[in-house]
Amino acid sequence: NAGVTQTPKFQVLKTGQSMTLQCAQDMNHNSMYWYRQDPGMGLRLIYYSASEGTTDKGEVPNGYNVSRLNKREFSLRLESAAPSQTSVYFCASSEDRERGYTFGSGTRLTVV
Amino acid sequence: QKEVEQDPGPLSVPEGAIVSLNCTYSNSAFQYFMWYRQYSRKGPELLMYTYSSGNKEDGRFTAQVDKSSKYISLFIRDSQPSDSATYLCAMKIETEYGNKLVFGAGTILRVKS
Repeated sequence: NAGVTQTPKFQVLKTGQSMTLQCAQDMNHNSMYWYRQDPGMGLRLIYYSASEGTTDKGEVPNGYNVSRLNKREFSLRLESAAPSQTSVYFCASSEDRERGYTFGSGTRLTVV
Repeated sequence: QKEVEQDPGPLSVPEGAIVSLNCTYSNSAFQYFMWYRQYSRKGPELLMYTYSSGNKEDGRFTAQVDKSSKYISLFIRDSQPSDSATYLCAMKIETEYGNKLVFGAGTILRVKS
């Protein structure tokens, strides 16, 4: 099925460890996004990429880096994980003027 | 103050009730207004999308936008247990770097059979 695929689905990290969350879409969308979701906070934008080769910061970028590897893939990296980064991470994609975003099923990350 | 305010609930109603979910916003630059539904441990899925002030109906769902009051609503008629989910309002803004969605905190809805 067409859509947004995120890996892994679950991850437990120790404080200070690094990891990369992977995201791929097969809808030929130009724009891709990384959000985090915390209880009572809704979805907050971490980084986004309006097109291949461009990235920009969102609302909560500190502690994260991103790479738009090609049009399909947009990865999120935590260089030194902290307990405050325990969250559910969602990747999404859209056309520039499409009505809505298509979301992946999320990555549940716990940092201990 | 958050750009988008949404009562987190939870909101508990009996089956068949009419549900009203609401959001207010402060940024006049928001151009598109959406409602997403999110089931437990799933990603959000687009439910309704509107651009102008007024009402838009889709089956049991009606989305309402009042730009003058900076207020949007989602009404669910004849609510069903399968409607139990978190409902997130979202608003799109165009920037020089592309478009962005800003979400409300989400309202948890429970429909009791």
